[in-house]
Amino acid sequence: SQQGEEDPQALSIQEGENATMNCSYKTSINNLQWYRQNSGRGLVHLILIRSNEREKHSGRLRVTLDTSKKSSSLLITASRAADTASYFCATDLQNAGGTSYGKLTFGQGTILTVHP
Amino acid sequence: DTGVSQDPRHKITKRGQNVTFRCDPISEHNRLYWYRQTLGQGPEFLTYFQNEAQLEKSRLLSDRFSAERPKGSFSTLEIQRTEQGDSAMYLCASRKGGPGYSGRNTIYFGEGSWLTVV
Repeated sequence: SQQGEEDPQALSIQEGENATMNCSYKTSINNLQWYRQNSGRGLVHLILIRSNEREKHSGRLRVTLDTSKKSSSLLITASRAADTASYFCATDLQNAGGTSYGKLTFGQGTILTVHP
Repeated sequence: DTGVSQDPRHKITKRGQNVTFRCDPISEHNRLYWYRQTLGQGPEFLTYFQNEAQLEKSRLLSDRFSAERPKGSFSTLEIQRTEQGDSAMYLCASRKGGPGYSGRNTIYFGEGSWLTVV
């Protein structure tokens, strides 16, 4: 299975509700990144959390990282119809020197649908 | 617009033909990556460059795939003798890399090049 695996695979909510997506991974990482992808489009970077960080915020986004459980979560608060998209976590592995190559390993993503 | 440009955005080709995709990264980014994404899946890493040096190509899917970055600026990804299984979106990404940049630099993706092999 892939290094990053998202859960749930699909999430359907009403506008104004919060959306939580989870990601699990297997090996030591340098950082973990969350991306958004609208249908048929490229990836938009949302947030990067380093392995020595536990929580990070950006606007309506909150990301947590638990390296002991090898898991991360993305919370989108007060969701909007425009948040409808696929969300991917991607791990950036740590090399022997403790740095990263920037070669991301993605999960299969969570498809989020926000109903107006 | 992230600043990473890919061309063409869409390509339909007949099986057996060769195709080439071009990527122009953000100008000050020395690292350039190629990924492939099939429907319903996350992107899959293929290869990457630091300046003009191709640092890893073991993930290229077969010897029909090749990539170049001759002057350390734009890059091309060529697929020879295309097969229907090559139908996918090919994504290019870039970032600053090297000593001192570990884990701090966002990787920016282009809009992708869709390939359909008929």
